[in-house]
This record gives sequence, structure tokens and C-alpha cells, in this order.
Amino acid sequence: DAGVIQSPRHEVTEMGQEVTLRCKPISGHDYLFWYRQTMMRGLELLIYFNNNVPIDDSGMPEDRFSAKMPNASFSTLKIQPSEPRDSAVYFCASSLGTSLRRYEQYFGPGTRLTVT
Amino acid sequence: SQQGEEDPQALSIQEGENATMNCSYKTSINNLQWYRQNSGRGLVHLILIRSNEREKHSGRLRVTLDTSKKSSSLLITASRAADTASYFCATGLMFSGGYNKLIFGAGTRLAVHP
Repeated sequence: DAGVIQSPRHEVTEMGQEVTLRCKPISGHDYLFWYRQTMMRGLELLIYFNNNVPIDDSGMPEDRFSAKMPNASFSTLKIQPSEPRDSAVYFCASSLGTSLRRYEQYFGPGTRLTVT
Repeated sequence: SQQGEEDPQALSIQEGENATMNCSYKTSINNLQWYRQNSGRGLVHLILIRSNEREKHSGRLRVTLDTSKKSSSLLITASRAADTASYFCATGLMFSGGYNKLIFGAGTRLAVHP
């Protein structure tokens, strides 16, 4: 398997623009997670999906952030409008279903977002 | 707030030496995991220890868990320059529906010098 795939790897945009980050989880994984990593706040969970359904979005900073998972092999994280404080590395991760008690998460390479 | 806190924040050792990193947490957990992150890369899962386990080994890695003290340690034996990375502990909390939520600590930056 190719692992978790994220695109783009780097994104530079101007304040106010819409940004869309993409993720393809590992095939067969039931859970998908979006994280944000910054020096100040470390690694934060933004939202997670189980079987394509958003379960917990309490980590989403504000209404400017939205995430979708239209099918088992694709998810997007959208920021509209973007602000300089959104600059961070955004990671997508996936894991097998908990029915197998397989709790380890597999991370993608991340998208480094810079908002100027 | 972060559940897990690693200690030390940074560690610098010579190749061949052992590296020990500690993690403390605040609430009851279902499992504790350690991840490695090389600069500019994603996190890589290293090892998982369940709350009813006390010690686990994987190659040169040894993890201990003391639930009474709410702490864990990661030992890397015979370190190599390639072990240079940041190491994160993540506490696994169980929620309804069987969801295991990970809360990551701030990490320990390990530098192994040739």
C-alpha cells in the first residue's frame, strides 16, 4: 500500500483566499483524522471521520474550517477565508476499525500551509 | 490542554548510547503510543502499550507503563544517527462507540551524534 497520501505538499496563499487540502487514506481503514501541527500548540486533532461520517469536529478552530469525506478513499479540509494564523502543517491520518483493537494511526506526509 | 508531557524536551547523545524519554499524563487511558517524526515528515507509529501491560519491546525499543504514576518511558538502546528525530507520546482515550482518541504531547527532540 502507498500509505496515506496528501496533496498538495506545500501551499502558499494570500490572506482571504480559499484553501483546500486533500487526503487519501489507506484502503480498508475505517477512521480518518485531520491534525494541525504548529510550534506553539503542537499537534492538535481537528476532526475525525468513522466510515465517512464526521464524528467529532470539536477541534475545528472556527467556522472558516470545514471537512468532508464523500467516500472511503477521499477527504478534504477547506479553509475559507484563510488567515495568516492558519499557517501550519496539516496532517491526515487513518487507522483500522476499533473492532480489531488496532489503534495505531498512520500519518500522511503533511501539507505545509503558509498564508501571507 | 495537552494530556501527555514529554521529558526532556531535548536530548543530545553519542551514537551507541542509550536514550530514555519520559511521558507523563493526567487521566486514565486505554493505551499509550509512541511516534517518531523526522524533520519535515509525518509521524510514524513505533509501539503501542495497553493499559494492562507494563512493558513492551520492539527491536531496540523498550516501553514501560506505570498507570499508578501515570507515566511511561521509551528507551532506545544502542542509538544510531538515524534515530535523530522528535519522539511523541500519545495517550489513547476511549469514547463511546469504541473510538480511540489520541492526545499528543509536545515531543522530545533527540539528536544522536556520530
